[in-house]
Amino acid sequence: GQNIDQPTEMTATEGAIVQINCTYQTSGFNGLFWYQQHAGEAPTFLSYNVLDGLEEKGRFSSFLSRSKGYSYLLLKELQMKDSASYLCAVMDSNYQLIWGAGTKLIIKP
Amino acid sequence: NAGVTQTPKFRVLKTGQSMTLLCAQDMNHEYMYWYRQDPGMGLRLIHYSVGEGTTAKGEVPDGYNVSRLKKQNFLLGLESAAPSQTSVYFCASSSAAGGAETQYFGPGTRLLVL
Repeated sequence: GQNIDQPTEMTATEGAIVQINCTYQTSGFNGLFWYQQHAGEAPTFLSYNVLDGLEEKGRFSSFLSRSKGYSYLLLKELQMKDSASYLCAVMDSNYQLIWGAGTKLIIKP
Repeated sequence: NAGVTQTPKFRVLKTGQSMTLLCAQDMNHEYMYWYRQDPGMGLRLIHYSVGEGTTAKGEVPDGYNVSRLKKQNFLLGLESAAPSQTSVYFCASSSAAGGAETQYFGPGTRLLVL
């Protein structure tokens, strides 16, 4: 079967750095996405990786290792507004997104 | 440019009642999707459409029907609601199926079936 694993909840301090991991087993691979979802709101796109390596976009970076079925999202200089759930999703061989359950990130002052 | 909109935002149904959720997008996207989101689980694809007049089943299609009569609209129907269909329903759209193309989500419909 297809499976996306990510931690259920993480806590970090304002101004610090946090890394959210995602491991996956899917039928085919056509890219990995990270979305941010604030409580009660819709998911919004953060990043896309299809090749191995690190993609940097401001305070957020995303890393992919296809051979290990592994990705992480790195958030730097954490702000209170970063408190949200972070969803990892893999596009499978049918070009459908398979979603993880999300990691709830709690930022403390 | 409103993006993706959904109506209603919230609804309470009794078991056996029917309803239709409406999704509209103004980005001229070909692809549209209906997901449900339940606590502790990832988003699950119910049905999707690759263009006007087409629909296809996703991961959890049972108990739902869809129609895409106009490119900008994608309707999700529940013919006979069950408590197991209590969930948050998200509609999304994209201009392509693959690559870096992002799926844009509507604000969600919260459905409670008693």
